[in-house]
Amino acid sequence: GESVGLHLPTLSVQEGDNSIINCAYSNSASDYFIWYKQESGKGPQFIIDIRSNMDKRQGQRVTVLLNKTVKHLSLQIAATQPGDSAVYFCAENTPYDYKLSFGAGTTVTVRA
Amino acid sequence: DSGVTQTPKHLITATGQRVTLRCSPRSGDLSVYWYQQSLDQGLQFLIQYYNGEERAKGNILERFSAQQFPDLHSELNLSSLELGDSALYFCASSVAGAGYEQYFGPGTRLTVT
Repeated sequence: GESVGLHLPTLSVQEGDNSIINCAYSNSASDYFIWYKQESGKGPQFIIDIRSNMDKRQGQRVTVLLNKTVKHLSLQIAATQPGDSAVYFCAENTPYDYKLSFGAGTTVTVRA
Repeated sequence: DSGVTQTPKHLITATGQRVTLRCSPRSGDLSVYWYQQSLDQGLQFLIQYYNGEERAKGNILERFSAQQFPDLHSELNLSSLELGDSALYFCASSVAGAGYEQYFGPGTRLTVT
């Protein structure tokens, strides 16, 4: 359902620091999760995904952690750069459900 | 660039009118999804097609309809437009159906005056 949400609507980060963006979901049947980045005036851009049979997945400068016990998802961005400033959405998918349910988004601002 | 194209980029029209938004999925993708993004509603799923067939419906109004053609491009038709229909409309595509990453196009910004 429309149950995905983020803990904080905004996050301000110093350039070079690590960022952690959190997301809570309430549908325990969800088995696939995606993080998207949306820059102003553009469409959401795929960052990384994770399936429910994993608890951690790493990409380039990003790591997604999944805690199914507390239904929590997080995105960690290492060495945050000005180009990381954007709105970040988590999205969930349940088996046989073709749509993605998106959270409200977290706006990340990187301070120079 | 995600590989998903949408036209037009901007559309301004009056209440009561009808518009058509067009989407071409990434090469090889069979599924097309339509989403609406407004300031107060976030990203809302409207409808999904897979290889020409409707597969899932979300919060899509009866005034809205869509189709996917044999060449896999899709069109979203919005009729009897109201001020509240002003939003960004995104198309996304994926290789298959549920459980695969969706790649989004740049969107069409619709303004109803």
